[in-house]
Amino acid sequence: EPEVTQTPSHQVTQMGQEVILRCVPISNHLYFYWYRQILGQKVEFLVSFYNNEISEKSEIFDDQFSVERPDGSNFTLKIRSTKLEDSAMYFCANSLAGTYEQYFGPGTRLTVT
Amino acid sequence: GEDVEQSLFLSVREGDSSVINCTYTDSSSTYLYWYKQEPGAGLQLLTYIFSNMDMKQDQRLTVLLNKKDKHLSLRIADTQTGDSAIYFCAEIPNSGYSTLTFGKGTMLLVSP
Repeated sequence: EPEVTQTPSHQVTQMGQEVILRCVPISNHLYFYWYRQILGQKVEFLVSFYNNEISEKSEIFDDQFSVERPDGSNFTLKIRSTKLEDSAMYFCANSLAGTYEQYFGPGTRLTVT
Repeated sequence: GEDVEQSLFLSVREGDSSVINCTYTDSSSTYLYWYKQEPGAGLQLLTYIFSNMDMKQDQRLTVLLNKKDKHLSLRIADTQTGDSAIYFCAEIPNSGYSTLTFGKGTMLLVSP
């Protein structure tokens, strides 16, 4: 099965700090997604990204969040000023154009203290 | 709005069949998925079914879709201890995009 990778696996940060979560997608899979899972809760959609722009975003994805492909390969999620409630597992997902198979990375556990 | 519901826990013995159930509310859902999450790991795509199908089989996995009742199930034949994990049902609503809406997950515990 194709593999999405994410770094770091675990990030601890203080409230108010900026964090950048990174995702290395599967080659030629040009649809990108970020999801998050707060402990004990559902996996929730944050944002989708295609052709260098956001396709869709949820209510969670407010002005504190941003996404980009800084070097044309990696895909990043930035949280500008973290809050305690941003503590969650963040998953990157990736799919090939014209398919509905989304492949997930192993996730980054973000802990905001 | 879209909602996906699953029972939270299922316990079976090794060698038995497991059936994990899911209900969804969006009758226009296009694709329905099953993902597996092992402890500390990401979400592994197990299988998915298009809404115009009622059954899909893939080795030990059988997916049944009852569109009238908006009910999806995953049957695992000859369940092994390695199948112990959380299983997530998910759908793509017919909203024109491809974002997944997940259930809370069913924890499957397989005992020897």
